Amino acid sequence: NAGVTQTPKFQVLKTGQSMTLQCAQDMNHEYMSWYRQDPGMGLRLIHYSVGAGITDQGEVPNGYNVSRSTTEDFPLRLLSAAPSQTSVYFCASSPAWWAYKLFFGSGTQLSVL
Amino acid sequence: QQQVKQSPQSLIVQKGGISIINCAYENTAFDYFPWYQQFPGKGPALLIAIRPDVSEKKEGRFTISFNKSAKQFSLHIMDSQPGDSATYFCAASKTGGYQKVTFGTGTKLQVIP
Repeated sequence: NAGVTQTPKFQVLKTGQSMTLQCAQDMNHEYMSWYRQDPGMGLRLIHYSVGAGITDQGEVPNGYNVSRSTTEDFPLRLLSAAPSQTSVYFCASSPAWWAYKLFFGSGTQLSVL
Repeated sequence: QQQVKQSPQSLIVQKGGISIINCAYENTAFDYFPWYQQFPGKGPALLIAIRPDVSEKKEGRFTISFNKSAKQFSLHIMDSQPGDSATYFCAASKTGGYQKVTFGTGTKLQVIP
């Protein structure tokens, strides 16, 4: 029972590089979201999706792009990495009727030099 | 604007003691208040949740107390154990469309033997 799977677990980028963080869930959840976790700031919502083909911005969307072509997958793209994007990134999924019941992946630790 | 304020930032409790984490919110439209537990290197996991029409909810050694008039809620961990050492996040969400979950800044709990 995999739940929410994130890859990679660790990544180091140089400023200006682009990359995609992968996220997949096998619980048939309608909702998926991306959060970043920074010390003293809790978890902040980057982008979310309420279903295939539907995405919207969260609290801190700048510099990130998402798409959702299937129910299972919700990749997060960093367009041109900046040191301010050094963080731990979590993907989460939740059922539509209990959206506060988030199921998180194990996270991606990203460093931008 | 931080919609969910959490304190303390860190907490050290002796084994067998009571751990208390407090949160306050501003938006009266919030209608679910979950708590998440996060162990090092892992994603957060839902611990317990409460609705504002309930003043207290207990699950094992974990209790949420809710004060709607004061817009405050708290997590009590009774008989704290070293295995409870983790970071705890309070959160709030509101129904109506996508239930964005807004997190507090987290409390790092250490239970010492």
